[in-house]
Amino acid sequence: AQSVTQLDSQVPVFEEAPVELRCNYSSSVSVYLFWYVQYPNQGLQLLLKYLSGSTLVKGINGFEAEFNKSQTSFHLRKPSVHISDTAEYFCAVSPSGQGAQKLVFGQGTRLTINP
Amino acid sequence: DGGITQSPKYLFRKEGQNVTLSCEQNLNHDAMYWYRQDPGQGLRLIYYSQIVNDFQKGDIAEGYSVSREKKESFPLTVTSAQKNPTAFYLCASSHRQGLSSPLHFGNGTRLTVT
Repeated sequence: AQSVTQLDSQVPVFEEAPVELRCNYSSSVSVYLFWYVQYPNQGLQLLLKYLSGSTLVKGINGFEAEFNKSQTSFHLRKPSVHISDTAEYFCAVSPSGQGAQKLVFGQGTRLTINP
Repeated sequence: DGGITQSPKYLFRKEGQNVTLSCEQNLNHDAMYWYRQDPGQGLRLIYYSQIVNDFQKGDIAEGYSVSREKKESFPLTVTSAQKNPTAFYLCASSHRQGLSSPLHFGNGTRLTVT
């Protein structure tokens, strides 16, 4: 079975500062990895995904993530954040090639941007 | 615009009553899912359906029931057997091919049971 740990429940940063949201996973098989964003009182939107190929994945809104197989990590980064990035971010993992019913979500990281 | 509509946005019920949450999609997706979200716990899968007239239990199905009579609709009933029903419920859909196509989520229903 897969598991996901998001290492920080809350991350406060100042506007225009860089940010990294950390995600580690555990799996005995190859995986797909995802980051989703949830704005207040809304559903989740896909930010980016790693299925195979290049380990550096670029997503929407200027976010990127790097798959590190040896460290079993998939950290999310943005070089300069905006107030509008205030949201909760979820890392998720599933076995490669499996349907979404196998998707396991982390506990979430609340990103707060201060002016 | 294509998307997933969940209604109502807020729902209040007395303990002991069954309640049904609506989920409709016009994305022509085969697969639909119900998740429960609690603070600090991420999302947990309640039920999923990959095709009309078929559905499977997820990780926390006890106290819930679903139906899939139409491709577009996947209602969730929270029964009186669910011991802690107050939560934020999210419906999602995807193409049946799997995770190369992403999950699309509705905006959720916040259920409060007192």
